[in-house]
Amino acid sequence: AQSVTQLDSQVPVFEEAPVELRCNYSSSVSVYLFWYVQYPNQGLQLLLKYLSGSTLVKGINGFEAEFNKSQTSFHLRKPSVHISDTAEYFCAVSPTVNSGYSTLTFGKGTMLLVSP
Amino acid sequence: DSGVTQTPKHLITATGQRVTLRCSPRSGDLSVYWYQQSLDQGLQFLIQYYNGEERAKGNILERFSAQQFPDLHSELNLSSLELGDSALYFCASSAGQSSYNEQFFGPGTRLTVL
Repeated sequence: AQSVTQLDSQVPVFEEAPVELRCNYSSSVSVYLFWYVQYPNQGLQLLLKYLSGSTLVKGINGFEAEFNKSQTSFHLRKPSVHISDTAEYFCAVSPTVNSGYSTLTFGKGTMLLVSP
Repeated sequence: DSGVTQTPKHLITATGQRVTLRCSPRSGDLSVYWYQQSLDQGLQFLIQYYNGEERAKGNILERFSAQQFPDLHSELNLSSLELGDSALYFCASSAGQSSYNEQFFGPGTRLTVL
């Protein structure tokens, strides 16, 4: 089984400041890693994903994440946030061995609050 | 707009009742997934269908069932509803069936059980 821990339920930050949203996971097998964003009253949208290769992954809207296998982490970063980045961010994992199906396990989410 | 549609947007019903939530996947996507999002449980995977066949099951209660029809739309049936079933139910779709396929989420159906 897999589990995902997002250590911060809320992260307040000022506009144009950098931000890091933390994600740690636990799994007995190799996993793919994902970050999703949920804007108010909307569904989830994929920000970025790590499948293999370079551990630094770039996504949409200027976000990037780094996979650290030894620390089982996949932290999300943005060098300069905008008011429009205010949303809830979810980290998720899925076992790589699942070739014929998909089971995403999500963290509890981190609410990013960007103020002027 | 993800291309995934869900109806209805909101549903208010009473305990003990049965409801059906409907999902139309993106054009060309063969996989459909159902998720439940609640304040206490967070976002939980319920079930996956691929081209009409069940592929994976998560934390789906026995009172809940789903199916995917030949035209690839899917329905989630919730019966003997309890107060704790109040939640946001999301449908997602993807082109393939595997973990690495990007899932596109619909806007959700908010279910309120009174």
